[in-house]
Amino acid sequence: GENVEQHPSTLSVQEGDSAVIKCTYSDSASNYFPWYKQELGKRPQLIIDIRSNVGEKKDQRIAVTLNKTAKHFSLHITETQPEDSAVYFCAARIPSGTYKYIFGTGTRLKVLA
Amino acid sequence: DVKVTQSSRYLVKRTGEKVFLECVQDMDHENMFWYRQDPGLGLRLIYFSYDVKMKEKGDIPEGYSVSREKKERFSLILESASTNQTSMYLCASSSQGGNTIYFGEGSWLTVV
Repeated sequence: GENVEQHPSTLSVQEGDSAVIKCTYSDSASNYFPWYKQELGKRPQLIIDIRSNVGEKKDQRIAVTLNKTAKHFSLHITETQPEDSAVYFCAARIPSGTYKYIFGTGTRLKVLA
Repeated sequence: DVKVTQSSRYLVKRTGEKVFLECVQDMDHENMFWYRQDPGLGLRLIYFSYDVKMKEKGDIPEGYSVSREKKERFSLILESASTNQTSMYLCASSSQGGNTIYFGEGSWLTVV
C-alpha cells in the first residue's frame, strides 16, 4: 500500500552544522511533497514544499531535493540553530480522486549549543 | 491567516465513554482531516472529508466515526473510548486541489 519511510528517527547535530532528513515514498503518482516542523506542544507547520516537476527548492537555510526516479526526497538544513530543534515530518500527496497525504514517522532533530 | 481550531486541548475520559472531538476551520476549505499522532508512528490518518456529509476512511478508522454536517466543522467521535485510544489527535484542513494542509493545535486525550 501507500507508504512514506523517513530516516533517521532522531538526529543530533552541533549548532552551525548541517542536518539532512531523508524520505522515500512508494506511490509513483505522488505529485507534491511538503515538510512540516512541529515544535514541542505546538501544531505542525509547513516549512517548505516541492512539486513533482521540480528537482530542488531552497528557502534561506532550508532546501528540499526530489529524485522522482528513486522516489526519494530530502530536507537539508544548513547552519543549524537551537530554534531548529523540533520534530520534522515529510509527506507525499497522492492525487487519486480526493487528495490524500501520507506522512512519514517523523525525525526528532536536536541542535546542541 | 488560516485558522483551524480544536475546542478541547486536554481531555480525560473513562473507558466506555462516548467522546466528541470538535474541529472548526474558517477558510471555507473543502477538505478536512483527522490524524492521530503517537511517538514513533508519525501522523496516521483516521478519516477525511472532502465535502459536507462526505467522508472516507483513512488508515486507522476502527473505533472511530466522523460527522460533517457543516462545511466548517468536522467532528471525530469515539463511540466507546478504550485505553488504546489515548493519544494526541490533530485536525487539519485544505482547499480543494490546494497543496497546504493547515493543522489545529491538537487535542490530548487520555482514556483511563
